[in-house]
Amino acid sequence: DAGVIQSPRHEVTEMGQEVTLRCKPISGHNSLFWYRQTMMRGLELLIYFNNNVPIDDSGMPEDRFSAKMPNASFSTLKIQPSEPRDSAVYFCASSWTGLGEQYFGPGTRLTVT
Amino acid sequence: TQLLEQSPQFLSIQEGENLTVYCNSSSVFSSLQWYRQEPGEGPVLLVTVVTGGEVKKLKRLTFQFGDARKDSSLHITAAQPGDTGLYLCAGRETSGSRLTFGEGTQLTVNP
Repeated sequence: DAGVIQSPRHEVTEMGQEVTLRCKPISGHNSLFWYRQTMMRGLELLIYFNNNVPIDDSGMPEDRFSAKMPNASFSTLKIQPSEPRDSAVYFCASSWTGLGEQYFGPGTRLTVT
Repeated sequence: TQLLEQSPQFLSIQEGENLTVYCNSSSVFSSLQWYRQEPGEGPVLLVTVVTGGEVKKLKRLTFQFGDARKDSSLHITAAQPGDTGLYLCAGRETSGSRLTFGEGTQLTVNP
């Protein structure tokens, strides 16, 4: 039984480049969450989808960040242009409902130089 | 955004010792969750507490939700090296689905 799948696991890019992070939620889950984890700020919710529709994007830091969920089995988080302060571990999580237990993926470690 | 403060931030103890981690807020949460995260992995849910004053036990781990649903504690009895990890509390806001995470407590249990 596959859990939440994220790719890539590690990404190193130069400032100004576009970065796309990918997530495949657990099959049957209808809620998907993108989080960012840093030493300074801990784990922060960026955006939350329910039935592929963005419900709460108040945590998206600025217009450089965008997220899409074109179907129930795939979501992307895009940063364009990337900046060094975007360096963090980005987690995707999914759950049966918005109030259910969240299952986290292994994360993508992003380094922007 | 409701804030959760965890203490201590770091804890290093010897195998067999007991410990307590605290999670405090000035806000009321509809429920509170505790997660454990190991290096290179995502957080894994340990328990959810919903009712004020609720106590849940998971083997050597005891979780308590404060009567006012503003705080919680995690107590580990006879800690083992396998308990090493980052422990995160997360409160669910009363108004929706958002989870607010504490900063975490990094626990190291030395053999």
